[in-house]
Amino acid sequence: EPEVTQTPSHQVTQMGQEVILRCVPISNHLYFYWYRQILGQKVEFLVSFYNNEISEKSEIFDDQFSVERPDGSNFTLKIRSTKLEDSAMYFCASREGQFNYGYTFGSGTRLTVV
Amino acid sequence: GEDVEQSLFLSVREGDSSVINCTYTDSSSTYLYWYKQEPGAGLQLLTYIFSNMDMKQDQRLTVLLNKKDKHLSLRIADTQTGDSAIYFCAESYGNNRLAFGKGNQVVVIP
Repeated sequence: EPEVTQTPSHQVTQMGQEVILRCVPISNHLYFYWYRQILGQKVEFLVSFYNNEISEKSEIFDDQFSVERPDGSNFTLKIRSTKLEDSAMYFCASREGQFNYGYTFGSGTRLTVV
Repeated sequence: GEDVEQSLFLSVREGDSSVINCTYTDSSSTYLYWYKQEPGAGLQLLTYIFSNMDMKQDQRLTVLLNKKDKHLSLRIADTQTGDSAIYFCAESYGNNRLAFGKGNQVVVIP
């Protein structure tokens, strides 16, 4: 069964450092997403991406965050200057079409900012 | 704005049925979902229901949707130890992103 792959599974970084979280969505999917889950809290939407541009973003997704699809297979989330409160599990998801129900999530990257 | 509410914890004996409840706010949601998260793992889609349906059965899973009360439930029949996980309900919002509840932790006691 096709999977969404995320790397690394766990990343520890110092406050103020830049991190890039990587995702390989399912190959025929067109819509890509990042979500995050702070420990003990809800899974929160960050951003959606379609046709090489951001289609929607939440208020969490401020200027410190950016997304990119650099080579047609990877989908990355960059946090420019990490803060302690960025510590969370980050999930990538992809979907085949806008009216297709099937979001497929990756296993997540646990980001710990120290 | 969207808001999806779930109660937090449920323990159930192996072989019994378990029922998890959820309320949501966006009456225009197209689909409503149940996701399962095992420890250290990602979000696994368990089942979904289209918003014009009242019920959906999928093997041991039964989803009930009460649109009037904006209430969604998941019943797991013959609960097994492998069902121990956190269960999230989610609604599609604006036909694009998902809004999740906080999740229900289900612990199955052998």
